[in-house]
Amino acid sequence: AAGVIQSPRHLIKEKRETATLKCYPIPRHDTVYWYQQGPGQDPQFLISFYEKMQSDKGSIPDRFSAQQFSDYHSELNMSSLELGDSALYFCASSLAPVSGYGYTFGSGTRLTVV
Amino acid sequence: SQQGEEDPQALSIQEGENATMNCSYKTSINNLQWYRQNSGRGLVHLILIRSNEREKHSGRLRVTLDTSKKSSSLLITASRAADTASYFCATDETGGFKTIFGAGTRLFVKA
Repeated sequence: AAGVIQSPRHLIKEKRETATLKCYPIPRHDTVYWYQQGPGQDPQFLISFYEKMQSDKGSIPDRFSAQQFSDYHSELNMSSLELGDSALYFCASSLAPVSGYGYTFGSGTRLTVV
Repeated sequence: SQQGEEDPQALSIQEGENATMNCSYKTSINNLQWYRQNSGRGLVHLILIRSNEREKHSGRLRVTLDTSKKSSSLLITASRAADTASYFCATDETGGFKTIFGAGTRLFVKA
């Protein structure tokens, strides 16, 4: 079965550079969520989209922006990168409202800022 | 943590023993989910319990939910070394479009 696809798997950027992370949800899933997980930390909710509109917002820095496109894939754009942005970034998708199957997470993008 | 605390933060048991992890949350929820995460890997959905349910089973997993105490527990029976991972509870807040994760319990199952 198709899963949530994230690209790239790994990304190394220098401080002040820009990064773009991509997420391709499970077909027919209309909701996408982005999470940031620092080393040894729990996943922190960043932002979600439902039917291509922002549906909820968490602790996402102003330097970050995201959108969901007409094919339901989503991109997280991160500018003026800081060392503290180094983390695992997960994307998840679901059908809203969430059924008994929960959210399906991608394998994540590991961003390292040097 | 955005939502609450998980208890214990770390748990070490022998293979074959049962493992119980607890989770507390703060808000009104639609459902509560448990996820498993192997080190540095993605989150895998284990089980979802709705706010009107009190107990749910899936294989060796048993989840309880007490909405009056805003708490949940995950019991893994007859643990195996392969169960070694971090376990997170996550809640869907009423009226929201996000899942909030607890701090996680690191489970070590010794063979």
